[in-house]
Amino acid sequence: QVQLQESGPGLVKPSETLSLRCTVSGGSISMYYWSWIRQSAGERLEFLGRIYASGTTTYNPSLKSRVTMSVDTSKNQFSLKLNSVTAADTAVYFCAATGTRDVFDIWGQGTMVTVSA
Amino acid sequence: DIQMTQSPSTLSASVGDRVTITCRASESISSWLAWYQQKPGKAPKLLIYKSSTLESGVPSRFSGRGSGTEFTLTITSLQPDDFATYYCQQYNNFWTFGQGTKVDFK
Repeated sequence: QVQLQESGPGLVKPSETLSLRCTVSGGSISMYYWSWIRQSAGERLEFLGRIYASGTTTYNPSLKSRVTMSVDTSKNQFSLKLNSVTAADTAVYFCAATGTRDVFDIWGQGTMVTVSA
Repeated sequence: DIQMTQSPSTLSASVGDRVTITCRASESISSWLAWYQQKPGKAPKLLIYKSSTLESGVPSRFSGRGSGTEFTLTITSLQPDDFATYYCQQYNNFWTFGQGTKVDFK
C-alpha cells in the first residue's frame, strides 16, 4: 500500500522560497503521477501541479512561473518549490498520487506552511 | 478554467437522513467528475470517480450520478461517520475542485 509523507519548513518568510518534499513508501515512484495540492483556511482545494517519474511536469497556470517540481527516483521522493511567496501562499500543502484513473487516489497527511516575517 | 460550484455550502442533517449534494461545472466535463470526503485535520479521501463509480471500500450508501455539467452525490441513511465536508473535482480539463459542502448535525 503506497503511503505519502510531506516534510519541510512550517514557516517561510515573505518573498522567499517554499520548499517541500514528499516521500513515497510502499511502492515505486514510477507507478503514478505525483501531485501537489494546497488548501488555504476556508478555501477550496487548489491543484498546483504534478510530475511523472520521467520528470514531465504540468503546472497550474495561475501560479505562473513561481512553481517548480522535481523528482528523485533514487530516494523515492518528489519536491515542490514555490518562490516569491506571500501571505496568500499560507496553506496546508498535500502531496497526492494519481494513477490510471486520473484522480487523486492517495494523499499524504498534509503539512501546514505559514508565510510570515 | 472550468469552475465547479457546489450547493448547498452547508447541509444540516440527522443520522438516517438521505442527503444530496449538487455540483455544477461551468462547461461540459462529460463524466470526468470525482467526489472526496474530508474530515477536519485530515486529507481528502476519494469516494467516487467517473461520476458514479464507487471507490473500493466505500460504503454503498454513497452514490453519484450525472454527466455534462450537473452532478449529484447522494448519501442514503446518513451515518455518524459521514459528517464531513465533501468536494467535487473535475478532471476533464486540468483539475479543479468545488468549494465544498459541509454536512453537519441538525
